[in-house]
Amino acid sequence: RKEVEQDPGPFNVPEGATVAFNCTYSNSASQSFFWYRQDCRKEPKLLMSVYSSGNEDGRFTAQLNRASQYISLLIRDSKLSDSATYLCVVNSGGYQKVTFGTGTKLQVIP
Amino acid sequence: DGGITQSPKYLFRKEGQNVTLSCEQNLNHDAMYWYRQDPGQGLRLIYYSQIVNDFQKGDIAEGYSVSREKKESFPLTVTSAQKNPTAFYLCASKPGTSGRASYNEQFFGPGTRLTVL
Repeated sequence: RKEVEQDPGPFNVPEGATVAFNCTYSNSASQSFFWYRQDCRKEPKLLMSVYSSGNEDGRFTAQLNRASQYISLLIRDSKLSDSATYLCVVNSGGYQKVTFGTGTKLQVIP
Repeated sequence: DGGITQSPKYLFRKEGQNVTLSCEQNLNHDAMYWYRQDPGQGLRLIYYSQIVNDFQKGDIAEGYSVSREKKESFPLTVTSAQKNPTAFYLCASKPGTSGRASYNEQFFGPGTRLTVL
């Protein structure tokens, strides 16, 4: 089993739709969780950290489920500019245990 | 402006040549990382450094070398021993290590696309 797993997609959704991605992780001792966004041929950029109580930033909501070992990202009212690959990142403690998922590709269609 | 810079953006080299990729940060971050990304793939860790004059191998260190003589700088050398060096190389840094999420947020440079001819 991979340490961090994501559905690669692509998720093709119309503008205005709500879309959700999940990411599962295998290490129950994982401490920190993040969602990054990566545009084509660009570097990943931090979208949001994921807190135990869940957190929201505008149209984006992140949730953590420790019991089932997954995190989720919900995007409401999708915009064309949301089209990108979304990377799940899990930190299991220390400097080295930062594991990236392979990403979920989102394409928002006019 | 604080941030991470990588140079050059594009690099072409002949097979068998060593090449060094630059990474500089002025964020006063302790930890720095080098990743490699291949088309359609996730990021794979090459080397990381927690502190000046210390660095550790990541998952795919063979054929690469690094140095950390200054806190701000973490250059990566791709040697001729690396069998398939053509890739997108990303440098990242983060403040430190602790249980707090903010200490573990990584910030990336714009990357260097290396093509070996």
